[in-house]
Amino acid sequence: KQEVTQIPAALSVPEGENLVLNCSFTDSAIYNLQWFRQDPGKGLTSLLLIQSSQREQTSGRLNASLDKSSGRSTLYIAASQPGDSATYLCAVWDQNFVFGPGTRLSVLP
Amino acid sequence: GAGVSQSPSNKVTEKGKDVELRCDPISGHTALYWYRQSLGQGLEFLIYFQGNSAPDKSGLPSDRFSAERTGGSVSTLTIQRTQQEDSAVYLCAVGFPSTDTQYFGPGTRLTVL
Repeated sequence: KQEVTQIPAALSVPEGENLVLNCSFTDSAIYNLQWFRQDPGKGLTSLLLIQSSQREQTSGRLNASLDKSSGRSTLYIAASQPGDSATYLCAVWDQNFVFGPGTRLSVLP
Repeated sequence: GAGVSQSPSNKVTEKGKDVELRCDPISGHTALYWYRQSLGQGLEFLIYFQGNSAPDKSGLPSDRFSAERTGGSVSTLTIQRTQQEDSAVYLCAVGFPSTDTQYFGPGTRLTVL
């Protein structure tokens, strides 16, 4: 059974810092991995999608990497801003979505 | 997914036909979300229900898409005059407004020929 974990559970940083969020999964037989952002009371927003054959994806200040063999992905956020404050979820597509518990990020002005 | 069923699991239809997708959550989940995932694309938010009302319909891609929820439980997503670009997996998720956790159903794979 696929399990997804994320560390840290919560993170608070001052504005402008670069930061890394970590995601681990137990079964490497995945179709893709996605990073999502969740704002309170809102639906999930997909940030980056990495197909199983890819190693990384970039969008603006976000960069996500995927190492299937070790069952790990990282989300790198450069020059963090208060508007980045949200819960960040990673999920693997393995017959169905399996989500990690999320990292709650607070970026302080 | 934890207590969320969707039907049908697979649907193949011809271009121009209407389809109705159903989400049947276990009781107690007041928030309900519809998403879709097209081949090679990230998850796309469609609509959010709180109870029977939809405060956020911003993700519906066109006026061919509509959704309703009755009794605070079952929800249907209707796509009229389907197009080939509507082909995707349509996912329903439920949650409690007090938490951020969403529980996804298994999805309906829609193929428009």
